[in-house]
Amino acid sequence: GAVVSQHPSWVICKSGTSVKIECRSLDFQATTMFWYRQFPKQSLMLMATSNEGSKATYEQGVEKDKFLINHASLTLSTLTVTSAHPEDSSFYICSAPHRRGSNEKLFFGSGTQLSVL
Amino acid sequence: DQQVKQNSPSLSVQEGRISILNCDYTNSMFDYFLWYKKYPAEGPTFLISISSIKDKNEDGRFTVFLNKSAKHLSLHIVPSQPGDSAVYFCAAISGTYKYIFGTGTRLKVLA
Repeated sequence: GAVVSQHPSWVICKSGTSVKIECRSLDFQATTMFWYRQFPKQSLMLMATSNEGSKATYEQGVEKDKFLINHASLTLSTLTVTSAHPEDSSFYICSAPHRRGSNEKLFFGSGTQLSVL
Repeated sequence: DQQVKQNSPSLSVQEGRISILNCDYTNSMFDYFLWYKKYPAEGPTFLISISSIKDKNEDGRFTVFLNKSAKHLSLHIVPSQPGDSAVYFCAAISGTYKYIFGTGTRLKVLA
């Protein structure tokens, strides 16, 4: 099946610093990628839709200046958490849809656990 | 407003028995449904899906049933195995690429 690679898997940073998370589709091209956040015991919440070559689309309540998304190529999307604070600590997951014939699936990266001190 | 709901946060099942995970949705425009399995600190992995034109899809030990009139789908795992212990999310697609996830059900299969 299709593979989505996410890096880093785990990061600890000081409050006020910025953290970049990368999401790569390894064996397919993804014009669209999704970024989710999951707090403990809660569902996957869609933060934004990353579009190759154009601006990302953010969900309501998500600050676009805080969560910068760049989708510079057909295989790479990055999420930068700027000026991170402890409340930004969460599990961030990227995903990319891949269609094979009439069958479409969403493939997920392995996630990034962000801890802001 | 939670459009996709999994009302049971957890479920325990004896090994070898059937596990039934339920999911309800409110939007009749959803046309494709998926189940994902998630282990702690990992990204979800795709399990099985069903189109709204079907009412059943089977893949090995996993079967998904869709009842459109009740806006309800369920995932059956039989026989359940300890390795099936994980959090299961149902998801629905509305339009292009808009995946809506439920809150998840933690399944524990007891040996």
